[in-house]
Amino acid sequence: GENVEQHPSTLSVQEGDSAVIKCTYSDSASNYFPWYKQELGKRPQLIIDIRSNVGEKKDQRIAVTLNKTAKHFSLHITETQPEDSAVYFCAASITPYKLIFGAGTRLAVHP
Amino acid sequence: GAVVSQHPSWVICKSGTSVKIECRSLDFQATTMFWYRQFPKQSLMLMATSNEGSKATYEQGVEKDKFLINHASLTLSTLTVTSAHPEDSSFYICSAWDTGFNYGYTFGSGTRLTVV
Repeated sequence: GENVEQHPSTLSVQEGDSAVIKCTYSDSASNYFPWYKQELGKRPQLIIDIRSNVGEKKDQRIAVTLNKTAKHFSLHITETQPEDSAVYFCAASITPYKLIFGAGTRLAVHP
Repeated sequence: GAVVSQHPSWVICKSGTSVKIECRSLDFQATTMFWYRQFPKQSLMLMATSNEGSKATYEQGVEKDKFLINHASLTLSTLTVTSAHPEDSSFYICSAWDTGFNYGYTFGSGTRLTVV
């Protein structure tokens, strides 16, 4: 089955810097790659997603890139702000079937 | 957008008792729902896939007799934790694939289960 690896597990940056989180997946048939932000005790909140027919997607300060050949995808956050501090999860699926999550990255943005 | 309602949001139960968690899709039909468990500071681990009108598919290592899943309608899936023990204390969250206009997985608000 699908396995998603996520790195790093923790990331500390200064406000205004960029943050990059990387994930690899194992199932070449996966076609949907969302990224979630999770506050403590809350449901995962979708921040951006990408489908397998697209190589890059951007939404204001957030972007995701996908390399299908290498089976990895990355989240890029530019101009980080303290409110970006949270746990971020990548995930992969063969839609509409089960969604498998990475281990998560705890991002801390210091003022 | 698509909404999934999950109840209760939190529950405390005594060891040995059973707890039922409900997950409803409010504005779309969900033939398939997914149940996850999340321990503190860990990721969401898929427990099972709930299929409307048929048996659930459990992930390896998940006890199907302990975590009973029922998906009797296109909008409701339930997870019953039977004979709960303190090690079952966790955050349980359901999800569904939106078959309508919205492309993506919609999550319930989660249930914090504490077994004492």
